[in-house]
Amino acid sequence: EAGVAQSPRYKIIEKRQSVAFWCNPISGHATLYWYQQILGQGPKLLIQFQNNGVVDDSQLPKDRFSAERLKGVDSTLKIQPAKLEDSAVYLCASSLDRREGTDTQYFGPGTRLTVL
Amino acid sequence: AQSVTQLDSQVPVFEEAPVELRCNYSSSVSVYLFWYVQYPNQGLQLLLKYLSGSTLVESINGFEAEFNKSQTSFHLRKPSVHISDTAEYFCAVSPLTGANNLFFGTGTRLTVIP
Repeated sequence: EAGVAQSPRYKIIEKRQSVAFWCNPISGHATLYWYQQILGQGPKLLIQFQNNGVVDDSQLPKDRFSAERLKGVDSTLKIQPAKLEDSAVYLCASSLDRREGTDTQYFGPGTRLTVL
Repeated sequence: AQSVTQLDSQVPVFEEAPVELRCNYSSSVSVYLFWYVQYPNQGLQLLLKYLSGSTLVESINGFEAEFNKSQTSFHLRKPSVHISDTAEYFCAVSPLTGANNLFFGTGTRLTVIP
């Protein structure tokens, strides 16, 4: 079974530029998550999708971050414009069904973003 | 609200020695408890989880963790570590009700010294 795929693995941009990350979850997983992991901290949830609908985006800085999962499968996270403090690893995870609190989340390898 | 505290940011230990990675949590509701591991250049992987029942849970590679409700702790232990256990370990909680959200601690970097 293929795992969660993410691209690119690394990205370096200058502040005020735009960037987009892509995630393809495990086949059949209804729930998709985007986390931000700043160096020295644990991952923090940015947004959660159930199929193509947003369940929780309370921690997403909506003035510059946006995310979509149009067909309920793969997802894109965008930052526009980027700030220095956005330097982090962006993790995508998926699970079968968010309504089960016992449901295991499977993580992708992450995209390491450096903003100069 | 939920929060997770991992007091030790780095734990060096000699090969074949025992290790304990500490995790304490705070929550206004009941939670599930998890340990995730992140090997160098890899994504997070679930190591073990406590959902209900026996308070002692084990992983397939010799780690175990015990849920202590009175102390709100979920410490991770292994009686004898291997070089291959070198990794970052994250403790996390998820509320029993509502969305399946994980709240992570800041992580503990375990370095096994040959």
